[in-house]
Amino acid sequence: QKEVEQNSGPLSVPEGAIASLNCTYSDRGSQSFFWYRQYSGKSPELIMFIYSNGDKEDGRFTAQLNKASQYVSLLIRDSQPSDSATYLCAVPPGSQGNLIFGKGTKLSVKP
Amino acid sequence: SQTIHQWPATLVQPVGSPLSLECTVEGTSNPNLYWYRQAAGRGLQLLFYSVGIGQISSEVPQNLSASRPQDRQFILSSKKLLLSDSGFYLCAWSGGEKLFFGSGTQLSVL
Repeated sequence: QKEVEQNSGPLSVPEGAIASLNCTYSDRGSQSFFWYRQYSGKSPELIMFIYSNGDKEDGRFTAQLNKASQYVSLLIRDSQPSDSATYLCAVPPGSQGNLIFGKGTKLSVKP
Repeated sequence: SQTIHQWPATLVQPVGSPLSLECTVEGTSNPNLYWYRQAAGRGLQLLFYSVGIGQISSEVPQNLSASRPQDRQFILSSKKLLLSDSGFYLCAWSGGEKLFFGSGTQLSVL
């Protein structure tokens, strides 16, 4: 059974700082990784995905993979109060197309 | 483009009452469809998934059931709700490995 672990937080950062969110995964063979953002009371929204062949940058967001230590990070540069949300990490189990999710890290960006 | 509709947004039901939540997907054919539940303070739990009409797989034994009467319609049901059924229910469809969620239903069983 694949597992995904995240620190539940809350992670509090000042506005304009870099927020660093981490996620560890159990299956060394995992090839793809997904980050979702979930605002309170709303459904998760896919914001980033990377494959095992490298890191990815999209605007203020950067996803980095450390295969040796089996963790994936999401960096948010120039954090804004609107980034305050719970961030969920997910990996595919290899069948049926569904994802296994971590419990999420709650991020709070203080003005 | 693909869209997913889920309703109702909120629901308050007494213990022992029936449940029916509906989800429809537009803009794609033969999608894989999923029902997830998110209980307060807990992660996303996969309840059911379907790869086609009438094909339902259950991940967790419980008093809930799912049906897929049409290609792009997925229904979550219960004959008698329990207090423990309270939570945020999310329908999702997959495009390759990516999952896309509906807006969710907040269910409170009292």
